[in-house]
Amino acid sequence: DGGITQSPKYLFRKEGQNVTLSCEQNLNHDAMYWYRQDPGQGLRLIYYSQIVNDFQKGDIAEGYSVSREKKESFPLTVTSAQKNPTAFYLCASSRGLASGANVLTFGAGSRLTVL
Amino acid sequence: KNQVEQSPQSLIILEGKNCTLQCNYTVSPFSNLRWYKQDTGRGPVSLTIMTFSENTKSNGRYTATLDADTKQSSLHITASQLSDSASYICVVSPNDYKLSFGAGTTVTVRA
Repeated sequence: DGGITQSPKYLFRKEGQNVTLSCEQNLNHDAMYWYRQDPGQGLRLIYYSQIVNDFQKGDIAEGYSVSREKKESFPLTVTSAQKNPTAFYLCASSRGLASGANVLTFGAGSRLTVL
Repeated sequence: KNQVEQSPQSLIILEGKNCTLQCNYTVSPFSNLRWYKQDTGRGPVSLTIMTFSENTKSNGRYTATLDADTKQSSLHITASQLSDSASYICVVSPNDYKLSFGAGTTVTVRA
C-alpha cells in the first residue's frame, strides 16, 4: 500500500538536544511538507519542498531544519533553538503543490515531548 | 490575514443522530475548500474537496456544502456512528501552496 511513514511515533527529548523526525513516502509525490499541530490551533507550516534538493521556509521555520536528498524522504530536525518544541508533528505529501486539486496525504504523526 | 474559523469547537451527539459543522473563512483569493477527518493521535484524512463553482459534495454519510459568496461551508454527518468520533478540520486553499487550516471541531458520538 502507498502511504507516508513517520517515525518515531513518540519521542522524548531533553532541553538542549536536537532530534530528527523521519518522513518517508512511496506515493511518488513531488511535494512534501512538515506541519506542527498544537491544541486548539490549526496546523502551521514549518517547511515544504517541491523537488529534490530544494525546500522553502513556511510560517514557523525558526528552530527547525530539513533536507530533501531523495524524493521519498523529508526528515525534520528540531534544534535546541526551537523555544517550544513540544507538539504533534505531521508530515504530508502531494503530487504537486497543495493548491488546485492536489490533495494532501498525511502521515500518522510524531509526538515530541521536551522534558 | 487569511483566517478559517470553525464552530462549534466541540459537540456531543447520540449514535444515529445527524449533526452539522460550520466553517467561515476570509481567505482570498480562493481556489478550493477541503474537509479532513482526524482521529485522535493520527494524521488527517481527506473527506471532500470543493472548488468555488461547486456548492455540494458528498462522501458516504458526509455532505459538504459551500457558499463562496458568503465564504461559508458546512459539513453534515448523517446517521452518526461511533467511528465518526474525531476532529473535523476545514482547510481553505488560495491559489498557491499556503493552505489555511481551521482549528477543527471535535465530534464525540455516544452510544
